[in-house]
Amino acid sequence: GNSVTQMEGPVTLSEEAFLTINCTYTATGYPSLFWYVQYPGEGLQLLLKATKADDKGSNKGFEATYRKETTSFHLEKGSVQVSDSAVYFCALSVAIQGAQKLVFGQGTRLTINP
Amino acid sequence: DSGVTQTPKHLITATGQRVTLRCSPRSGDLSVYWYQQSLDQGLQFLIQYYNGEERAKGNILERFSAQQFPDLHSELNLSSLELGDSALYFCASSVEGGASTDTQYFGPGTRLTVL
Repeated sequence: GNSVTQMEGPVTLSEEAFLTINCTYTATGYPSLFWYVQYPGEGLQLLLKATKADDKGSNKGFEATYRKETTSFHLEKGSVQVSDSAVYFCALSVAIQGAQKLVFGQGTRLTINP
Repeated sequence: DSGVTQTPKHLITATGQRVTLRCSPRSGDLSVYWYQQSLDQGLQFLIQYYNGEERAKGNILERFSAQQFPDLHSELNLSSLELGDSALYFCASSVEGGASTDTQYFGPGTRLTVL
């Protein structure tokens, strides 16, 4: 089946620290991979995506590389800010019988302290 | 702002009641998706519509139903509500919704509380 496993939170860091949130997946076929971010009281926003192996998605200083050999899509940022505090969701996307299916990880809550 | 709108923002109702959640997709998007987010189940896909027709079903209860209208807005109907239906309900939209590479854009959600 299709599933996504994220590192368990909550994660608490100091401002300007290096961030890694681990994400691994199991999928049939060739999925696309996404990171979404949910700020308090809001809906999910697309952070970045990668659609094939070795692609790197990047946005707002965040990066993730689609690693087929390790079935991973780890999220990284070199220097986090207080405004990055949010819940981060890793997701895979497959097409099944003409319909896109998004499967989410459980989410990782990130808190950045000043 | 994703361009996806959902109303109402909050809904408080009693067990056994029926409610309707409304979603307007981004301009030009033909697919609409509904998701339920709860603390114990995480984000669960409920159902997808494409240009007025049901395209895929997920973990949607029989008490729940949805439709997409000719103007492409969608409604999710929840009936015989139970305490366990309390959750955040998200709508998302995408241009087509048939490829794994499609990006889904999410609305701000409707928080349903069943008392």
